[in-house]
Amino acid sequence: GENVEQHPSTLSVQEGDSAVIKCTYSDSASNYFPWYKQELGKGPQLIIDIRSNVGEKKDQRIAVTLNKTAKHFSLHITETQPEDSAVYFCAASTAGAGSYQLTFGKGTKLSVIP
Amino acid sequence: GAGVSQTPSNKVTEKGKYVELRCDPISGHTALYWYRQSLGQGPEFLIYFQGTGAADDSGLPNDRFFAVRPEGSVSTLKIQRTERGDSAVYLCASSPRLADYNEQFFGPGTRLTVL
Repeated sequence: GENVEQHPSTLSVQEGDSAVIKCTYSDSASNYFPWYKQELGKGPQLIIDIRSNVGEKKDQRIAVTLNKTAKHFSLHITETQPEDSAVYFCAASTAGAGSYQLTFGKGTKLSVIP
Repeated sequence: GAGVSQTPSNKVTEKGKYVELRCDPISGHTALYWYRQSLGQGPEFLIYFQGTGAADDSGLPNDRFFAVRPEGSVSTLKIQRTERGDSAVYLCASSPRLADYNEQFFGPGTRLTVL
């Protein structure tokens, strides 16, 4: 089955700096890669996603890049703000080509220091 | 409702007991997913439904776990003979259809503690 590795496990940045979180996946059939933000006591919330036919996607301060050849994808947050502090999860799925289940990484705890 | 709701928010039980966890999806959503999240880990897939039927239950860890969705709306995750290793947050998500997998909305979860 799919295996998703996520790094780093913790990340501290100064407010205004950029944060980068990286994930690798094992199943070349995976075609959908979402990123979730989870705040304490809440369920994960989708913040951005990318499909395998796209190399990069941007939404305001958040961007995701995908390298299918290397089987890795990354989340980039620019101009970080204290409210960006949370745990971020990457995930992968073979949605539509097998199963709709998501396989998640272990998470990155991001702390933005004011 | 406005979002996915899960009840109870917390459940404490003793080893060997039976528990039921409930998920109310967003109104009109036909696809429903269950995940389990252990401390410090990412969510782990358990099962998903399209309508009343379990379309993929490959993530259920063993036959102590069972889930139903008899009317295609509310779902109940049932755990028999609970073990301490079952302690985790159980998350439910829903989407308009399976094909709308990019619109999975998660509930706040039920924190299960098995003593």
